[in-house]
Amino acid sequence: EPEVTQTPSHQVTQMGQEVILRCVPISNHLYFYWYRQILGQKVEFLVSFYNNEISEKSEIFDDQFSVERPDGSNFTLKIRSTKLEDSAMYFCASSAYRLNTGELFFGEGSRLTVL
Amino acid sequence: AQTVTQSQPEMSVQEAETVTLSCTYDTSESDYYLFWYKQPPSRQMILVIRQEAYKQQNATENRFSVNFQKAAKSFSLKISDSQLGDAAMYFCATHDSTSGTYKYIFGTGTRLKVLA
Repeated sequence: EPEVTQTPSHQVTQMGQEVILRCVPISNHLYFYWYRQILGQKVEFLVSFYNNEISEKSEIFDDQFSVERPDGSNFTLKIRSTKLEDSAMYFCASSAYRLNTGELFFGEGSRLTVL
Repeated sequence: AQTVTQSQPEMSVQEAETVTLSCTYDTSESDYYLFWYKQPPSRQMILVIRQEAYKQQNATENRFSVNFQKAAKSFSLKISDSQLGDAAMYFCATHDSTSGTYKYIFGTGTRLKVLA
């Protein structure tokens, strides 16, 4: 069964360093998302991406964050200068349709630890 | 703004017994969907069950069913004949399209432990 894959599963970085989290969505999906979950808190929307551009971003998704789909298969989240509060699980998700009817498929997540 | 509240951080159930996980929500959408996602340890979230708000009949998927009370904005998940493999985090979600795009809004999750 097709699935969303994410790498790395866990990354430890120093504050101020740049991090790139990678995702391979399901191949025929058109809508892509990043969510994050700080330990013990709710899963929060970061950004949605469609037709090679950002559809919507949350207040969390400030200038330190960026997304791109460099080669038509990968979907990356870059955090330019990590802060301690960026420590969280980051989930990539994709959907074939707009979400009022379609199911959202998630990856296993990338755990980011900022020291 | 849409909100989803799960008031039970953790629940336990004996194997083969029934457990109900609670969820309340608030939405300005006139037509909407509600979802329960399951996240086993170190695995991705998978959709368990989906309810369309305009349907009065409660959704059912094998051992999983919902009690959807639209007026009360309540959407609880019932797991019957609990199995060890049901142990996971369960997230309630709805979608938010108020900004013109669609995204899911999640609750904080309920950790379900299944006791042998």
